[in-house]
Amino acid sequence: NAGVTQTPKFRVLKTGQSMTLLCAQDMNHEYMYWYRQDPGMGLRLIHYSVGEGTTAKGEVPDGYNVSRLKKQNFLLGLESAAPSQTSVYFCASTELGRGTDTQYFGPGTRLTVL
Amino acid sequence: DAKTTQPTSMDCAEGRAANLPCNHSTISGNEYVYWYRQIHSQGPQYIIHGLKNNETNEMASLIITEDRKSSTLILPHATLRDTAVYYCIVSLGISGNTPLVFGKGTRLSVIA
Repeated sequence: NAGVTQTPKFRVLKTGQSMTLLCAQDMNHEYMYWYRQDPGMGLRLIHYSVGEGTTAKGEVPDGYNVSRLKKQNFLLGLESAAPSQTSVYFCASTELGRGTDTQYFGPGTRLTVL
Repeated sequence: DAKTTQPTSMDCAEGRAANLPCNHSTISGNEYVYWYRQIHSQGPQYIIHGLKNNETNEMASLIITEDRKSSTLILPHATLRDTAVYYCIVSLGISGNTPLVFGKGTRLSVIA
């Protein structure tokens, strides 16, 4: 199992450009999440999905869109990047089950917006 | 609103037990206590979780007080590779439509 993978690992954007971050998991997990982490801060939840075709807003959803067309993939889109979106983005997944929030995280995508 | 309170940082000598405290005085009866850690620049890693009883796995032990208002994560023999930020999280979990909320955690430094 590859676990949770993220593409790309690094990216530099100019203000106003768009991009899509891809998260893939091969563990057949129902739930998937996108977080961002700014320097010296904890993780903040952007969006999450409780199953294929469903998404929900997290703590900091503004400026981002997501899609979960396939169970194994969760895409995070930035339509018009801003310098405030410079951050490290982590994707995670977890299986269905009460009290089993064992989240598996990807290695992260380091995004810089100039 | 923070549901947990953790010290900002702690030091531990290599080979000794690391005891990381967490206060969660407003925990509700069906909320779990989760511990994760994040080694520099990596994604967080699940360590352990519990509801009422103490728990132990290959990584750590979790001691929850009888009133459930606080807990302690114990790394029995800390190594340099245990240097990380440790997050204590109280939550119903996603099954309760409540995603985990990561605070700032405790930065543990294991010293040779």
